[in-house]
Amino acid sequence: DAKTTQPPSMDCAEGRAANLPCNHSTISGNEYVYWYRQIHSQGPQYIIHGLKNNETNEMASLIITEDRKSSTLILPHATLRDTAVYYCIVRVARYGGATNKLIFGTGTLLAVQP
Amino acid sequence: DADVTQTPRNRITKTGKRIMLECSQTKGHDRMYWYRQDPGLGLRLIYYSFDVKDINKGEISDGYSVSRQAQAKFSLSLESAIPNQTALYFCATSDSMASTWADTQYFGPGTRLTVL
Repeated sequence: DAKTTQPPSMDCAEGRAANLPCNHSTISGNEYVYWYRQIHSQGPQYIIHGLKNNETNEMASLIITEDRKSSTLILPHATLRDTAVYYCIVRVARYGGATNKLIFGTGTLLAVQP
Repeated sequence: DADVTQTPRNRITKTGKRIMLECSQTKGHDRMYWYRQDPGLGLRLIYYSFDVKDINKGEISDGYSVSRQAQAKFSLSLESAIPNQTALYFCATSDSMASTWADTQYFGPGTRLTVL
């Protein structure tokens, strides 16, 4: 699975959009981009994933560049409860999901400031 | 996720003791996983099970064993606990039928294990 690079930490003002970048320059055509977050010592929480197209759900938006070498997770209106470590994970997709290993790096600590 | 429960939530034990961590899920998922997390590090996969009869080692299985008692239950055992197994342990589940190409994993709240 391709490696990812994320900034170790970011700040965001409450109510503003939080834009979390991720570089995955060695991504392959059959690899998805996943985002999870972990609020202090709780279980990781799935946020969103995508392959080529931009994706949006009730939690966030995922913007993937055309060359797929980087992506941005957008939390449109950050709240204090969004303070967490955000993990960008690139994961091979295979028919039947034969390989489902999630490789967590060290992620980005997002601190939402009041 | 309340659909995935882990017991106990906290456990302190001594070196050499046998410990079992339990995971139960009501999501109806067929796949289950055990991860550990050490301070400042990401999660590492210990074991995973794609169904009751299919159990596989992850990247750090030494010193651990698992049992898939039913589709909804997946237990992790430390046969003889040692201090460097002190960590936060997470169970996760996924549904192979949710997507042909990639299924999403959902995590339990974790068990904090301390081995003295």
